[in-house]
Amino acid sequence: SQKIEQNSEALNIQEGKTATLTCNYTNYSPAYLQWYRQDPGRGPVFLLLIRENEKEKRKERLKVTFDTTLKQSLFHITASQPADSATYLCALPLRGGGTSYGKLTFGQGTILTVHP
Amino acid sequence: KAGVTQTPRYLIKTRGQQVTLSCSPISGHRSVSWYQQTPGQGLQFLFEYFSETQRNKGNFPGRFSGRQFSNSRSEMNVSTLELGDSALYLCASSSGVAKTQYFGPGTRLLVL
Repeated sequence: SQKIEQNSEALNIQEGKTATLTCNYTNYSPAYLQWYRQDPGRGPVFLLLIRENEKEKRKERLKVTFDTTLKQSLFHITASQPADSATYLCALPLRGGGTSYGKLTFGQGTILTVHP
Repeated sequence: KAGVTQTPRYLIKTRGQQVTLSCSPISGHRSVSWYQQTPGQGLQFLFEYFSETQRNKGNFPGRFSGRQFSNSRSEMNVSTLELGDSALYLCASSSGVAKTQYFGPGTRLLVL
């Protein structure tokens, strides 16, 4: 069955540095991959989507790469700030979802803490 | 536009009881998905509804059910509650065409 792993449970960095989070998946070739942010006690918030034919996507201080050969996505936050502290989740469409976009499988998440 | 709303926000039940959770999607969104989030299993897909029809279902027992109304509002029901059903239940809506999922704040269910 398809499997998705975020190989850092927690990441601590200093303000101003670049945070890099990793998402790996197996047994699957997804058409796209998404990244979400979740704050304690709240639902996830969509950040970025990258398609299989895109190598890189940017949005302000965020950058996502997608390597379908390595089956890996990297999520970067440049010039990190304490307000970026949250749990970051990667998500893939579940196999068998057809044209449904609401059926996602999520990684366990990486808890990012940015220290002032 | 108002975001996705879920009621109630917190709920305490005892084993064997049943519970109904409600979700109101963003206006105009016809797809509603439900997820269960626990510390051990993370976020897991329960089911998705689109235009009142269940379009997909996750690997959960039949005690978990849902429905969607003509105004796109959705409810999920869990019967014969077990301790392991304690979790944050999240609802997400989308237009059904775009891939972005908009999540509500969740309902935290505690089963004693």
